[in-house]
Amino acid sequence: DTGVSQDPRHKITKRGQNVTFRCDPISEHNRLYWYRQTLGQGPEFLTYFQNEAQLEKSRLLSDRFSAERPKGSFSTLEIQRTEQGDSAMYLCASSSGQGVEKLFFGSGTQLSVL
Amino acid sequence: GQSLEQPSEVTAVEGAIVQINCTYQTSGFYGLSWYQQHDGGAPTFLSYNGLDGLEETGRFSSFLSRSDSYGYLLLQELQMKDSASYFCAVRDSTGGFKTIFGAGTRLFVKA
Repeated sequence: DTGVSQDPRHKITKRGQNVTFRCDPISEHNRLYWYRQTLGQGPEFLTYFQNEAQLEKSRLLSDRFSAERPKGSFSTLEIQRTEQGDSAMYLCASSSGQGVEKLFFGSGTQLSVL
Repeated sequence: GQSLEQPSEVTAVEGAIVQINCTYQTSGFYGLSWYQQHDGGAPTFLSYNGLDGLEETGRFSSFLSRSDSYGYLLLQELQMKDSASYFCAVRDSTGGFKTIFGAGTRLFVKA
């Protein structure tokens, strides 16, 4: 168990550029979540997957955001045409989906949009 | 939709007991969890309540009352290292059992 890993740790981009983040969950976990967190706030739900199926996407999320989880393993989160308001920590979490829902979080990707 | 309310900030002294309350509104409540997050770190799981009552894990306990849509996290024998943010989170059955977080309570432990 190597934990949840996210890449990159930091991303600085210019407004209007596209960015993509990667999350590798704990290997036997079939549920994978993406959250966004800004300073002083709780993790804001973005979307989640059960295996390769995307079960829900937040209605607050614009069409510029898309996520995939091919083959139910790693996941990518893409933000197109970034805006300054997208600056945040993007957290990935996984869970086994069995018993108590216990989320294991990665260290996150800190996005800064200039 | 879902909403969770918890105090934004709590201060307590080392060795004391502190209670962090959480009220929630959701149409598909399934369970209440608590997570701890230190500055610069990722949230880590503390406890889960699926049924009414008290769950104890070492110095931490968590309580749930489903009829009151209310829960709390109790931290005993506070230590300086407990200074962190604490989030309550509901597992919501609408849309497939996702987990939604509150805004968090910042706990300051003073010597």
